[in-house]
Order: sequence, then structure tokens, then C-alpha cells
Amino acid sequence: GQSLEQPSEVTAVEGAIVQINCTYQTSGFYGLSWYQQHDGGAPTFLSYNALDGLEETGRFSSFLSRSDSYGYLLLQELQMKDSASYFCAVRDEYRGSTLGRLYFGRGTQLTVWP
Amino acid sequence: DTGVSQDPRHKITKRGQNVTFRCDPISEHNRLYWYRQTLGQGPEFLTYFQNEAQLEKSRLLSDRFSAERPKGSFSTLEIQRTEQGDSAMYLCASSFRPENTEAFFGQGTRLTVV
Repeated sequence: GQSLEQPSEVTAVEGAIVQINCTYQTSGFYGLSWYQQHDGGAPTFLSYNALDGLEETGRFSSFLSRSDSYGYLLLQELQMKDSASYFCAVRDEYRGSTLGRLYFGRGTQLTVWP
Repeated sequence: DTGVSQDPRHKITKRGQNVTFRCDPISEHNRLYWYRQTLGQGPEFLTYFQNEAQLEKSRLLSDRFSAERPKGSFSTLEIQRTEQGDSAMYLCASSFRPENTEAFFGQGTRLTVV
């Protein structure tokens, strides 16, 4: 089966840097994704790591260590609009190939204070 | 294309009634996924289609649930004899290929069973 662990809440002030960690256990691994979801909104894609290392996209970066089954999302220069839930998710494997389905963690609620 | 659209956005129904939700994916996307999300949880995979073929169903999908994707375009998710435990947000997502690292989610249908 799959399980993902991430902190339930994180708080920070505008302009700060915050890191949201995710550890996972999965029978098959095709990469770690991060999604953002505002209250009442749809999950939106932020980043994807298939290989070890850091991926940078603007203010957001994501890191993966496959040997440690660990990744993190780094948010820099925080803005009020970054207040949202952040989910890590792993892609599933079925009969040797990926179906593209995602298994999500429970989410981390980020609150950014002025 | 305006993205993945779902209808209705909200549905209140009495226990025991049947409900049907619709999802229109992004037009060129051949893969379509249904997820369910409850408060404080990440989305949970229910089922997925490649074109018109339903290739996988989660054990979460009881016999009361059925999904279709006729002609490989829009999809419907029907819940028969609804129960209070079915109250949740039902999310639809689409992607072009499983290797496509990004899944595009709709805004969801919020179901409340009273």
C-alpha cells in the first residue's frame, strides 16, 4: 500500500521561507508531486520530482531523495495568497506501468500572517 | 479550453436517493480520474478511464457507485441509495498520458447527504 506523512499545519509571516516535508512508503514509485488547494478550490499542480535533487519553479522549489523516501516543498518570499493546503502525492504503479493515479497525503495547512 | 468542468458544483440529497455527477475533461486528455475528498483529508482515488475504458476501480468504490465515460469524452459518476457517509467533495481530473506529470482537477461537486 501507500502512505504519506506530512505536517498538518505550518505558519509563517509574509516574506519568510517555509519548508513542508513529506515522507512516503509506497509499493511502486513514479515520482513525487505537490499540489496546492485553496479553500473551496481545485487542487492545482505545483511541481513534480522523478529523480533525486531540487526542482525550482519561481518562488517554489521541490526536493526529492528516493533513498530516504523523502521530499519537501520550499516556498520562498511568502505572500498572503500562499495560505492554502499543500499536498504531496505519489504516482502509482500497476502491473509494471504507471496509471498516473495519485495517492495523496493528508495535506499541510499553511497560514501566512502579515 | 477552460479546463476541467464539473456539474453540479453542489448537491444536497436525502439519504437513499440516487445522484449523478458529470465531468467534462480537457478535450485532448484521454485519461480521466475520479477522486473523493473529505474535510481535512487529501483526495482519495476512486476510478480512472483511458478513453472510454474503465481500467481501475478502488476498493473505496462500493457497488452503489458506478462511473461511465461513453465515447471517451465526458464522464458521469452515479451513486445509488446514498448514505450520509457519501457526503464529500467529488473531484474529477484529467491528463494526457500517465507520463504527463500534471493532472488537471475540476472544482469538484460537493455532495451533502441529509
